[in-house]
Amino acid sequence: ILNVEQSPQSLHVQEGDSTNFTCSFPSSNFYALHWYRWETAKSPEALFVMTLNGDEKKKGRISATLNTKEGYSYLYIKGSQPEDSATYLCAFRSSNTGKLIFGQGTTLQVKP
Amino acid sequence: DVKVTQSSRYLVKRTGEKVFLECVQDMDHENMFWYRQDPGLGLRLIYFSYDVKMKEKGDIPEGYSVSREKKERFSLILESASTNQTSMYLCASSQAGGVNEQFFGPGTRLTVL
Repeated sequence: ILNVEQSPQSLHVQEGDSTNFTCSFPSSNFYALHWYRWETAKSPEALFVMTLNGDEKKKGRISATLNTKEGYSYLYIKGSQPEDSATYLCAFRSSNTGKLIFGQGTTLQVKP
Repeated sequence: DVKVTQSSRYLVKRTGEKVFLECVQDMDHENMFWYRQDPGLGLRLIYFSYDVKMKEKGDIPEGYSVSREKKERFSLILESASTNQTSMYLCASSQAGGVNEQFFGPGTRLTVL
């Protein structure tokens, strides 16, 4: 059974703080790693799809790094804003299957 | 604007009822998925389909079936709803091939009494 773990489970920060979360996944048969943001009462939306070891992606104040050899990805948010409050999901895809295996998510609450 | 829609945001059903959850996408995507989301467990794949009339079991197919008669529509069926199927159900779609993001619907919160 493939296991994808995210930490921490939840996080409360003040507006302006920078923060980061971790996604751990199997280091064998890697194909892709997805990050999604899921705001309350909305649909999950894709942030990044990462495929190459050492890859770094950036979208505004949010960035992500990928280490496929050791099986982890970090998501960073610089200068958190209340609108960043959401659950952040990572999902691993192995080369053996077209399915995504999701982590349980990290819920971020940014206080004004 | 790409869109995945689900037939209901909230649904309340009784144990033993047959329940249909409908999902429609307007992006001409080949792949469609049904997930359920429960606290502390993340999204778990129930069934997916990579073409019309084709279906594959996901990780938790027991108690569910699916139907894909048209490319844009993917239905999830609970043959006889049970209380342990109370959950948030999410539909998603993606293009075939390569590394493609999935586009999600808003979810249906199903309560089985």
